[in-house]
Amino acid sequence: SQQGEEDPQALSIQEGENATMNCSYKTSINNLQWYRQNSGRGLVHLILIRSNEREKHSGRLRVTLDTSKKSSSLLITASRAADTASYFCATPPGSARQLTFGSGTQLTVLP
Amino acid sequence: EPEVTQTPSHQVTQMGQEVILRCVPISNHLYFYWYRQILGQKVEFLVSFYNNEISEKSEIFDDQFSVERPDGSNFTLKIRSTKLEDSAMYFCASSEVDNSNYGYTFGSGTRLTVV
Repeated sequence: SQQGEEDPQALSIQEGENATMNCSYKTSINNLQWYRQNSGRGLVHLILIRSNEREKHSGRLRVTLDTSKKSSSLLITASRAADTASYFCATPPGSARQLTFGSGTQLTVLP
Repeated sequence: EPEVTQTPSHQVTQMGQEVILRCVPISNHLYFYWYRQILGQKVEFLVSFYNNEISEKSEIFDDQFSVERPDGSNFTLKIRSTKLEDSAMYFCASSEVDNSNYGYTFGSGTRLTVV
């Protein structure tokens, strides 16, 4: 898979359920970031986890990072209809500043 | 909360015409970026800009593209002679410090349609 690939590509859940999205990457990283994009809109930074961190929380978001497996997961707890969006992981590979984005997971939360 | 502002939100242009996409980054941010997203595809890095010069650019950012910070507040992306394949959402982003430890703030994007 390419740098920053998410799975699943699409996820549909009921309001109140938890949503888990996964991301895999190939090169070494300093950090991994998750972004959200509502349809046709800009990217909103959700959370950043550094390579020396294993887990991070922000509100209803929980991110894990396993550098040995080169993978990360984003968990959204108690999902709401307003969480419906595309979610992307992004990494600055190596020492680069630029971000490499994955293809995203389209999350649909049904009311 | 501070925002990155992009204008226009949507621009339609004839093939071969020049376009300038404008961005106002967050005022105390030092690093500026352009990304694009062709419909249905990944967000792709174009260029980063720091200290009034390009610091990194991708293969996409060829001689048809240029960036400028003309007046200390605006950050522009110019496409000299647009092609149909330049149709995409273009996102400006800025960051306070080196991205390696902080996320970006993205603008809402300019949808460029080349006809």
